[in-house]
Amino acid sequence: EPEVTQTPSHQVTQMGQEVILRCVPISNHLYFYWYRQILGQKVEFLVSFYNNEISEKSEIFDDQFSVERPDGSNFTLKIRSTKLEDSAMYFCASSKEGTPGYNEQFFGPGTRLTVL
Amino acid sequence: KQEVTQIPAALSVPEGENLVLNCSFTDSAIYNLQWFRQDPGKGLTSLLLIQSSQREQTSGRLNASLDKSSGRSTLYIAASQPGDSATYLCACPSGGYNKLIFGAGTRLAVHP
Repeated sequence: EPEVTQTPSHQVTQMGQEVILRCVPISNHLYFYWYRQILGQKVEFLVSFYNNEISEKSEIFDDQFSVERPDGSNFTLKIRSTKLEDSAMYFCASSKEGTPGYNEQFFGPGTRLTVL
Repeated sequence: KQEVTQIPAALSVPEGENLVLNCSFTDSAIYNLQWFRQDPGKGLTSLLLIQSSQREQTSGRLNASLDKSSGRSTLYIAASQPGDSATYLCACPSGGYNKLIFGAGTRLAVHP
């Protein structure tokens, strides 16, 4: 069964460093998303991406964050200068449809980011 | 602004019991609602997507209902098993139809 994959599973970085989290969405899906979950808190939406551009972003997704689809299979989240409060589990998701009511989102296993 | 609440926060039951997990949302103008399962330290597994035009959706021992007018959804788990132990999350769109807003989840423990 097709699934969303993410690499790495765990990333440890120093504060101020840049990190890139990678995702391979399900191959025939057209809509891509990033969410994050700080330990003990709710899953929070970061950004959605369609047709090579951001379709929606949250207040969390400030200038330190960027997303890219560098080729036909990968979808990346870059954090330019990490802060301690960026430590969280980051989830990539994809959906086949954008039609309201039909856009079931499928999530990857997550990347645990630890900022020291 | 959509807010999603799940009750109870935690539940511990003996194997074989039938369970009801509750989810409520503040903005009833939703297109769908999705239920997920999350195992500790793992990703989210989609269990059921229920469209706003549906009242119920079933998958195996799981049955989800949706009542938009009252802003509620329930997830019914029949004949619970220890393997059902996990956190169950509900989520629905806010504003546009892409951004999912999640509840805090119900942490379920089923003991033999």
